[in-house]
Parts: sequence; structure tokens; C-alpha cells
Amino acid sequence: GENVEQHPSTLSVQEGDSAVIKCTYSDSASNYFPWYKQELGKGPQLIIDIRSNVGEKKDQRIAVTLNKTAKHFSLHITETQPEDSAVYFCAARLGGGADGLTFGKGTHLIIQP
Amino acid sequence: EPEVTQTPSHQVTQMGQEVILRCVPISNHLYFYWYRQILGQKVEFLVSFYNNEISEKSEIFDDQFSVERPDGSNFTLKIRSTKLEDSAMYFCASSRAGWEKLFFGSGTQLSVL
Repeated sequence: GENVEQHPSTLSVQEGDSAVIKCTYSDSASNYFPWYKQELGKGPQLIIDIRSNVGEKKDQRIAVTLNKTAKHFSLHITETQPEDSAVYFCAARLGGGADGLTFGKGTHLIIQP
Repeated sequence: EPEVTQTPSHQVTQMGQEVILRCVPISNHLYFYWYRQILGQKVEFLVSFYNNEISEKSEIFDDQFSVERPDGSNFTLKIRSTKLEDSAMYFCASSRAGWEKLFFGSGTQLSVL
């Protein structure tokens, strides 16, 4: 099955700086890669996603890049703010239909004031 | 904005007891999912459900688990005889179509004593 590795497990950045979180996946058939933000005591909230036919996608301060050849994708957050502090999960999904998401282990992002 | 709702938010049970976790997916969604997250670990896929039947299930989803859509709005996860290792946060999710974005509920924290 699919395996997703995520790094780093903890990331501390100064407010206003950029943060980058990286993930690799194992199955080249995976074609959908969402990123979720999870705040304490809440469910994962989708923040951005990308499909395998696209190399990059941006939404305001958040961007995701995908390198299908290398089987890795990254989340980029620019101009970080205190409210960006949370745990971020990457995920990958094989095919379509009702296939489940395979999640990475998460990155605890800490924004230092 | 429509959201996935889960009840109860916290469930405490004795080992060996049956529990039912309840979810109301977003109303026009057709695909339903259960995931779980053991404290401090990644989110793991349990099962997906479409057209009143299970579409896919993981190794975790063994014979003690079952899912049901008893009416047009609810989606339930039953654990027949709970074990200590079933203690986790259980998330329900839904999507409009199998290839579309998943939206998660806030979860039910299950504690098995």
C-alpha cells in the first residue's frame, strides 16, 4: 500500500518568516495530495490540495508543489502568523472512487512572536 | 458553511462493551469515511462507504467494526466489543464525490477503560 513520510516533525519559525514542510510518497499511482491543518481538539481542516496533473498551486500565503518524478510534495507558508501554529498533515490517495487517504505523521508548526 | 457533525464529542466505555459513534455528513455528499487517530500519532483510514455499502476498508477495520447509514442523514460506526487499544479520536469525513475533497468532523474521543 501507500506510505507517506513527512518532515520535519517539529518546525519553529519566527513570525513573518516562511515555513516549508515536505512529504514523500511511495506509490506512483497516487494522484491526489491534500494538506490538512489540525488545531488542538479539532478535526483536520483542508487548507490546500493538488492533483497529479498540476505542478504547483497557490492560495494567498499557502502554496503546494508536486514533483511526480521524485514522488514528493511540499507545503509552503509565507509571512507566517501566530494563527498558523498547528499540526499540519500531508496525505496521498490512490486512484479515485472511495479510496482512503494515507496520512503523514504530521508537523507541529510553532510560530515564534 | 456546511460541516460534518459528530456525536458524542467524548465517549467513555468499559472494555468489552459495544459503542456506537454517530456522524451527520454534509447533506449533498455521497461518500462517507471513518478515520481514527491514536494520541500523538497520524490519522489512519478505517473504512469508506458509498451507495449503502463498504467501498474500501483497512486492516484495522476487522470484524468487531461495522458501519451503517440507518437513514438519510446519519452514518454510524459500531465497535462490537471494545478493547483498550481502541482508545483514540475517531473522525468521520464526507465528500461529494470519490475524487473530491474530504471534509472532517471534529471527532469523538473514545476512551476504553
